[in-house]
Amino acid sequence: DGGITQSPKYLFRKEGQNVTLSCEQNLNHDAMYWYRQDPGQGLRLIYYSQIVNDFQKGDIAEGYSVSREKKESFPLTVTSAQKNPTAFYLCASNIALGEEQYFGPGTRLTVT
Amino acid sequence: QKEVEQNSGPLSVPEGAIASLNCTYSDRVSQSFFWYRQYSGKSPELIMSIYSNGDKEDGRFTAQLNKASQYVSLLIRDSQPSDSATYLCAVSGTDKLIFGTGTRLQVFP
Repeated sequence: DGGITQSPKYLFRKEGQNVTLSCEQNLNHDAMYWYRQDPGQGLRLIYYSQIVNDFQKGDIAEGYSVSREKKESFPLTVTSAQKNPTAFYLCASNIALGEEQYFGPGTRLTVT
Repeated sequence: QKEVEQNSGPLSVPEGAIASLNCTYSDRVSQSFFWYRQYSGKSPELIMSIYSNGDKEDGRFTAQLNKASQYVSLLIRDSQPSDSATYLCAVSGTDKLIFGTGTRLQVFP
């Protein structure tokens, strides 16, 4: 089955710790995205990548970092510099910029 | 800042009625338009794509696009309680999709 996987589904961390969220896709999509969603809010773009070894900041990149070493993988690191990291994190991909995006199941991160 | 506007709702409709969800966008050069459904606690699911003016039907769903008015809508016929969710409108920008904040739909029996 083709799709996007995110792991883990739930993640708990202590304040001050960095944490890495996994995103893998086997859809052969070139572009991948990370969004953050807070309760009752819309999607906010953190980072996106059009091709391997290249990525761009989205609207709320501060306190986050990404890498794109393989086409299939786009991990997101939430650093201790992110002031309010507790949120629902969504990874998405599409064949090209501007095309329909498909979402993974999400990771719910709680930092205490 | 390119924007996509949606009424946050909730939009409450009785079972069997037509639900009408609306979205306006600011970027006149946008070419692609999408509707996503998001159940509470789940990720968004693509339900409709539309690229040209007019109507596009898929089962109980109809997307309508009017580029001159910068307006896209989603009609859900014969609404069911299982349609209760938040519906996100997304519009293609220069290098990414721009999402609205969503309209919450409640279908009551």
